[in-house]
Amino acid sequence: DIQMTQSPSSLSASVGDRVTITCRASQGISNYLAWYQQKPGRVPKLLIYAAFALQSGVPSRFSGSGSGTDFTLTISSLQPEDVASYYCQQYNSPPLTFGGGTKMEIK
Amino acid sequence: EVQLVESGGGLVQSGRSLRLSCAASGFTFDDYAMHWVRQAPGKGLEWVSGITWNSDSIAYAESLKGRFTISRNNAKNSLYLQVNSLRAEDTAVYYCAKDWAGSQLAGMDVWGQGTAVTVSS
Repeated sequence: DIQMTQSPSSLSASVGDRVTITCRASQGISNYLAWYQQKPGRVPKLLIYAAFALQSGVPSRFSGSGSGTDFTLTISSLQPEDVASYYCQQYNSPPLTFGGGTKMEIK
Repeated sequence: EVQLVESGGGLVQSGRSLRLSCAASGFTFDDYAMHWVRQAPGKGLEWVSGITWNSDSIAYAESLKGRFTISRNNAKNSLYLQVNSLRAEDTAVYYCAKDWAGSQLAGMDVWGQGTAVTVSS
């Protein structure tokens, strides 16, 4: 299996901050990476696919980058509604695997 | 409106079996691959299994192989997950999710509300 490691596991930042979450794959996955957001008590939502392609309707303050084994999700200006857990997921080869998640809080 | 509605969860004794169902509507079901993803209480997301549009390709999480069986009925716009020999660690919310691809297993662009499974000893 391809292991996905996210860091940090939790993050506290102020409104307006630029925040970055990192996801590392245990082997190269090209750009076959997606990011999801799960707000408290809610269903997960697709944010980004193919490492950097923004899903329709997702605010432009979210962006993704990376290729191979190292990827990042960036929020350019953190908003109160961004409080959530964020997960990366690889789809280079089955079995599909998620990262452990990053819990985002507002200071 | 694209909608996925799971059913079949509940409280079940350890060692028993359960069949989860997912009813899809609002899109052409047999154009897309489908997945089951679970989330234990207070934990992260765990991909369980996926199936391509025509059931040609099926995959499972390595740790779950042998006890879980995914299937679909395109005529009924339905996805299923058979779970045998249930264990306490299977306690989770089980989500049905639509893939954005059809002939490969990629990712999930639509999620159901989930059905909760609680395994008691």
